[in-house]
Amino acid sequence: QLQLQESGPGLVKPSETLSLTCTVSGGSISSSSYYWGWIRQPPGKGLEWIGSIYYSGSTYYNPSLKSRVTISVDTSKNQFSLKLSSVTAADTAVYYCARQCKWLVDYFDYWGQGTLVTVSS
Amino acid sequence: DIQMTQSPSSLSASVGDRVTITCQASQDISNYLNWYQQKPGKAPKLLIYDASNLETGVPSRFSGSGSGTDFTFTISSLQPEDIATYYCQQYDNLLLQLTFGGGTKVEIK
Repeated sequence: QLQLQESGPGLVKPSETLSLTCTVSGGSISSSSYYWGWIRQPPGKGLEWIGSIYYSGSTYYNPSLKSRVTISVDTSKNQFSLKLSSVTAADTAVYYCARQCKWLVDYFDYWGQGTLVTVSS
Repeated sequence: DIQMTQSPSSLSASVGDRVTITCQASQDISNYLNWYQQKPGKAPKLLIYDASNLETGVPSRFSGSGSGTDFTFTISSLQPEDIATYYCQQYDNLLLQLTFGGGTKVEIK
């Protein structure tokens, strides 16, 4: 059974860079047909897609966040990571990583449990 | 960017009721529309993909329909365990963009 687990600091100071890692177990991050994505959810609000990456390193991002986001992949560790720079209180959210099926379809079928990141001094 | 307008934002219904949620895209998205269920404190769960395809293991009381700009998600007979927030999600493989609707919170009356 595929599992994803987010990890990283739960508290980040304003103007600093938020860094999270998603560890994939029970399957290979190098599988074809799958991208790997980050989605966030501010407290009490809806879902926002941040960006996605293929195991080859190919990425695409939400235009509203693109200038501040970097997603990378480490196939040797079966992990992918998110960096969000110049954070403000508006970036406080639960951050989810998820597997994205992209062969003739496009949906997130496996999700991590989510990790709350608070931006505060 | 493609905008997704989901309605209503919340609803209250009785057990056994038929529940309908709509999602409208700002432009034609063909059938590139998925539906998720999110229970409090949990990650979203995929229910319907490509507008009308039921994900494996999802109860048949859930269904989806539509194409183009107008989509509908239906729970044929609301059960207590269906209390959750439901989100639509569109994808555009040309622009490589992906957008969620604002969500519909379903409660028991």
